[in-house]
Amino acid sequence: EPEVTQTPSHQVTQMGQEVILRCVPISNHLYFYWYRQILGQKVEFLVSFYNNEISEKSEIFDDQFSVERPDGSNFTLKIRSTKLEDSAMYFCASTLRSEQFFGPGTRLTVL
Amino acid sequence: KQEVTQIPAALSVPEGENLVLNCSFTDSAIYNLQWFRQDPGKGLTSLLLIQSSQREQTSGRLNASLDKSSGRSTLYIAASQPGDSATYLCAVPKYSGAGSYQLTFGKGTKLSVIP
Repeated sequence: EPEVTQTPSHQVTQMGQEVILRCVPISNHLYFYWYRQILGQKVEFLVSFYNNEISEKSEIFDDQFSVERPDGSNFTLKIRSTKLEDSAMYFCASTLRSEQFFGPGTRLTVL
Repeated sequence: KQEVTQIPAALSVPEGENLVLNCSFTDSAIYNLQWFRQDPGKGLTSLLLIQSSQREQTSGRLNASLDKSSGRSTLYIAASQPGDSATYLCAVPKYSGAGSYQLTFGKGTKLSVIP
């Protein structure tokens, strides 16, 4: 059964460093999302992406964040200069229509 | 702004019991509602999607109901098993434009099924 994959599973970085989180959505899906979950808190929407551009972004998704679909399969989230408060699980999701399918997540730890 | 609440926050039941998890949402103008399972430190597994036109949706021992007018959904788990232990999340979509929908999540109900 097709699934969303994410790499790496865990990323440790120093404050101020750039990180790139990678996702491979389900191949025939058209809409792509990033969400994050800070430990003990709700899953929060970051950004949605369709037809090679951002459809919507939340207040969290400031200028430090960017997304890209560099080829036909990968979907990346870049954080330019990480802060301590960026430590969280980051989930990628994709959908063809209604039901969103999530990847296993990348745990980002900022020291 | 849509708010999603799940009660209870945690639930512990003996194996074999039937149980109900609750989800409420403040804006009843939803397209659908999705229930997920999350194991500790893991991703979200989609369990059921119930469309706004449906009252119920079933998958195996799981049954989700939706009452849009009252802003409520329930997830019924029959004959619970220790393997059902996980956190259960509900989420409702908000149209984000260009056909995409951002999900608003509840905080989840942490279920423990005791053998």
